[in-house]
Formats: sequence, structure tokens, C-alpha cells
Amino acid sequence: AQKVTQAQTEISVVEKEDVTLDCVYETRDTTYYLFWYKQPPSGELVFLIRRNSFDEQNEISGRYSWNFQKSTSSFNFTITASQVVDSAVYFCALSEVYNSGGSNYKLTFGKGTLLTVNP
Amino acid sequence: KAGVTQTPRYLIKTRGQQVTLSCSPISGHRSVSWYQQTPGQGLQFLFEYFSETQRNKGNFPGRFSGRQFSNSRSEMNVSTLELGDSALYLCASSPIGYSYNEQFFGPGTRLTVL
Repeated sequence: AQKVTQAQTEISVVEKEDVTLDCVYETRDTTYYLFWYKQPPSGELVFLIRRNSFDEQNEISGRYSWNFQKSTSSFNFTITASQVVDSAVYFCALSEVYNSGGSNYKLTFGKGTLLTVNP
Repeated sequence: KAGVTQTPRYLIKTRGQQVTLSCSPISGHRSVSWYQQTPGQGLQFLFEYFSETQRNKGNFPGRFSGRQFSNSRSEMNVSTLELGDSALYLCASSPIGYSYNEQFFGPGTRLTVL
């Protein structure tokens, strides 16, 4: 069974600080996909990034960066120079093969990390 | 393009009643997935519909059901409501579906069961 662990339930930082959100996953599949989603107070989840298991290249997008390490089954997310607008719940998610036929996939979310950025 | 819309946004029901939630996907998207979000269990996958067929299903009792119409709009039904069904129900759409692709989420329907 697949599993996603976000050990940090809540993080509070002051604006302009850098913050890293941790994500550790478990899967028996060799082919899988990892995601980060952001959930602001309005409720809808906003897609941030997707990575497949064969692409361990780190990625940077503006103030956001992601570090994918298969050796430690981690997919961590760093916000540089945090801003108040970054305050939200952040979810890490894993999608692997749902059945042996390989045609269906199931998305499993971590419990989320509530990030509060104070001015 | 308009985003994913869900109606109603808030709903209050009592135990034993049934409820129907509606989701309109982004135009052109053929896949609709439903998720339940609670403080205790977090975000859990309910089911996915594609071209009017349920393609994937999570581990929920048969009281939870859904359907998709020819215009890709989807409804989710919960019968014989229990207190534990109180949750935020999120709908997500994508062009071809499958959970490994980016999904676009709606704002959710907040269901309270009294």
C-alpha cells in the first residue's frame, strides 16, 4: 500500500524566511508520480508540481524549489523568502498503479502542513 | 476558461437523510474525481468518472455513489447520512483523467451532518 507522510503538522515563520516542507513516501512500485498541492483558505487545491519516479532532477520555479531523492523516498518543498500570501495548507501526494493492469491510478495525499507566514 | 464549480457550497443535513452534490468540470475536461476531506482522515479519494463510466474507486462504503452525465457534469450522492460524513467534498477535473495527471479542483462543498 502506498503512503505519504508529512511529519510537520504546522509551521510558522516570519516573512522573508526560507521554509522547507518535508514529504516522505512509501510505495512498492517503480513507476509513480509525486505532487505538491496548495490549499489556501478558500478551499480549492492548487497544483504546484508533478514529478515522475524516473526524473530526480530538482526543480526551481521562482521562489519555489523541490528536492526529489529516491534514495530517501523524499520529495521536499522549499519556499525562499516566504510571503504572507504563501500561508496555506500544503499537501504532498503520490500516485501509483492501482491495479496490476496498469490502467488505473490512485492518488494518496499526506495529511498536509499548515504554513503560516507572519508579517 | 471557467474553473471547476461545485454546488451547493454549504449544506446542512441530519442523520439518515441523503444528499446530492454537483460538480461542473472545466470545459473540455472528461474526467471528474471526487475527494473527501476531514480533519481526522485528511484527503481521501472517493471515485473517478470518465465518459460517464466509473473508472476508479476508493475505499468507501456503498452509501457513497456517483454518476457522470454526457456533458461531463458529475453528481455525488450519499445516502443514509452519518455524523462522520461531515466533511469538505472536493471535485477535481482533468482532460483525460488518471491520478498521475494534474487535476483542477473546485472550491468544495462543506457538508455538515447533525
